[in-house]
Amino acid sequence: IAGITQAPTSQILAAGRRMTLRCTQDMRHNAMYWYRQDLGLGLRLIHYSNTAGTTGKGEVPDGYSVSRANTDDFPLTLASAVPSQTSVYFCASSDAGVTDTQYFGPGTRLTVL
Amino acid sequence: GQNIDQPTEMTATEGAIVQINCTYQTSGFNGLFWYQQHAGEAPTFLSYNVLDGLEEKGRFSSFLSRSKGYSYLLLKELQMKDSASYLCAVVDSNYQLIWGAGTKLIIKP
Repeated sequence: IAGITQAPTSQILAAGRRMTLRCTQDMRHNAMYWYRQDLGLGLRLIHYSNTAGTTGKGEVPDGYSVSRANTDDFPLTLASAVPSQTSVYFCASSDAGVTDTQYFGPGTRLTVL
Repeated sequence: GQNIDQPTEMTATEGAIVQINCTYQTSGFNGLFWYQQHAGEAPTFLSYNVLDGLEEKGRFSSFLSRSKGYSYLLLKELQMKDSASYLCAVVDSNYQLIWGAGTKLIIKP
């Protein structure tokens, strides 16, 4: 059982390019989340999905979009990357929403130049 | 505004005990989590408190006082592998999870 996987592990991207970060879980969890983590700041929620077919905006959604076509996959897309989107991105999942334990993927380190 | 306060960094000695505090000001309360995050890795779950009191789980214990907006994580018999960041997170009345910036714990031999 892999749990939750993310791809790529790291990426250097030119500003203005489009990029999709992939996230897949095999735990059949209902809820999935995308966070960014920057030095000195807490995890900040970008987007979330409480169940397949639904998505919602988190604290910092601007410049990002998500989709949840099925239970397992929750890709995050940067339509036109900017340097301020340089960060470590974590995908997470939980079975029953935010009061349930979240399981995190290994993260994607993204650098936008 | 909503706020979670934790010390930025703490240092402790191998074999000792350390207490990491977390105070919160949020719109309502529906539970508090502690996660551990080793450098360059993902956060992993340590504990969840929704009622006042102390919950013990091996070398780690977590305490909650809802009236004071306060929690602490107590780590006993410290080991070098406990060097990590410890993240406090609160579920508010809107069922949003608010994360603290984390406390970096350095263990010295």
